[in-house]
Amino acid sequence: NAGVTQTPKFQVLKTGQSMTLQCAQDMNHNSMYWYRQDPGMGLRLIYYSASEGTTDKGEVPNGYNVSRLNKREFSLRLESAAPSQTSVYFCASSVQGTDEQYFGPGTRLTVT
Amino acid sequence: GEDVEQSLFLSVREGDSSVINCTYTDSSSTYLYWYKQEPGAGLQLLTYIFSNMDMKQDQRLTVLLNKKDKHLSLRIADTQTGDSAIYFCAENTNAGKSTFGDGTTLTVKP
Repeated sequence: NAGVTQTPKFQVLKTGQSMTLQCAQDMNHNSMYWYRQDPGMGLRLIYYSASEGTTDKGEVPNGYNVSRLNKREFSLRLESAAPSQTSVYFCASSVQGTDEQYFGPGTRLTVT
Repeated sequence: GEDVEQSLFLSVREGDSSVINCTYTDSSSTYLYWYKQEPGAGLQLLTYIFSNMDMKQDQRLTVLLNKKDKHLSLRIADTQTGDSAIYFCAENTNAGKSTFGDGTTLTVKP
């Protein structure tokens, strides 16, 4: 099992550009999550999906959109990137019942 | 509201025990977790404890839960340099989400 995979690993964007971060899991988990991690601020939830076909806003959804394409894949889109979106983005999925989360390796995004 | 707090830094000598503390606010949490993050990597679940337990031991790791005080701790016995990382406490909340603390950076000195 690959677990949770994310692409790309690194990305540099100019302000106003758009991009989609891809995430996939092969553990048959129902729930998937997108977080951003900034120095001194821990993990902040952007969006989550409790099951295929459903998505909900987290703590910091502004400037982002998501798509739960199927049970395996959950993508995060930045329509018009801003320097404030420079961060490390993590995708995760969780085990039903105990809600323990499995994380991908992260995407390091810089917006100039 | 939901909030998880932990101290930001801990430094210990190799071979000593490390104790990382955490307080949480949601008394309805069913599970509480400890995750480890090594440089440049994602978070990795270390262990979790069910809310009706007060202790869980797993090799060098001991988790203590005081539900009355909403206090969770992680003890690492015989700390090694490879244990240097950021440790996150988390509680599960409604709808399968978890709330994470800001992380404790553990530095192990040889």
